[in-house]
Amino acid sequence: AQSVSQHNHHVILSEAASLELGCNYSYGGTVNLFWYVQYPGQHLQLLLKYFSGDPLVKGIKGFEAEFIKSKFSFNLRKPSVQWSDTAEYFCAVTPNGQKVTFGTGTKLQVIP
Amino acid sequence: DGGITQSPKYLFRKEGQNVTLSCEQNLNHDAMYWYRQDPGQGLRLIYYSQIVNDFQKGDIAEGYSVSREKKESFPLTVTSAQKNPTAFYLCASSRGQGIAQPQHFGDGTRLSIL
Repeated sequence: AQSVSQHNHHVILSEAASLELGCNYSYGGTVNLFWYVQYPGQHLQLLLKYFSGDPLVKGIKGFEAEFIKSKFSFNLRKPSVQWSDTAEYFCAVTPNGQKVTFGTGTKLQVIP
Repeated sequence: DGGITQSPKYLFRKEGQNVTLSCEQNLNHDAMYWYRQDPGQGLRLIYYSQIVNDFQKGDIAEGYSVSREKKESFPLTVTSAQKNPTAFYLCASSRGQGIAQPQHFGDGTRLSIL
């Protein structure tokens, strides 16, 4: 069965530190990939998406993600985090034409 | 502003009662979804609908039912058959009928069974 793994459940960083959150999926065919973010007290919102083309995708607020097909990965990165990046981050995968599967989420806490 | 409205924000029901959660969108989106969010388990898909009068089961549909009589509305009924209904429920919608489109989410309904 299709699965999405986010191995980091809780990450704590100081401001200005670099961030990388892992996302791996099990489906071998064509996929669409997403990162969503849920800030405290707010609804889930799209951070960035990959459908095709350049595997390095840039999203809002300085986030980017790289699709590495050979590693079945779509890791989220940010060179320098801010306190306002404190949130829960979800990776989601949609194999072509099939229903979406979300990862279990990673809670990021940024310490000023 | 366009968006998704879920009501109520908090809902309490006695065990054995059915309860219906409301989800309305004014984004003119074709597809709508219901998820359940539990701590440490992320979002799990309950049901989705890609077009009016049609819907499909997600990964955890047992004990739930939905209807899609109008494009704007996708209510979820949590029946007494759902063994562990206490959870946070999220409704979402997306443009077009392709399930791969980015989704827009509501603020959620927290259901507690007493």
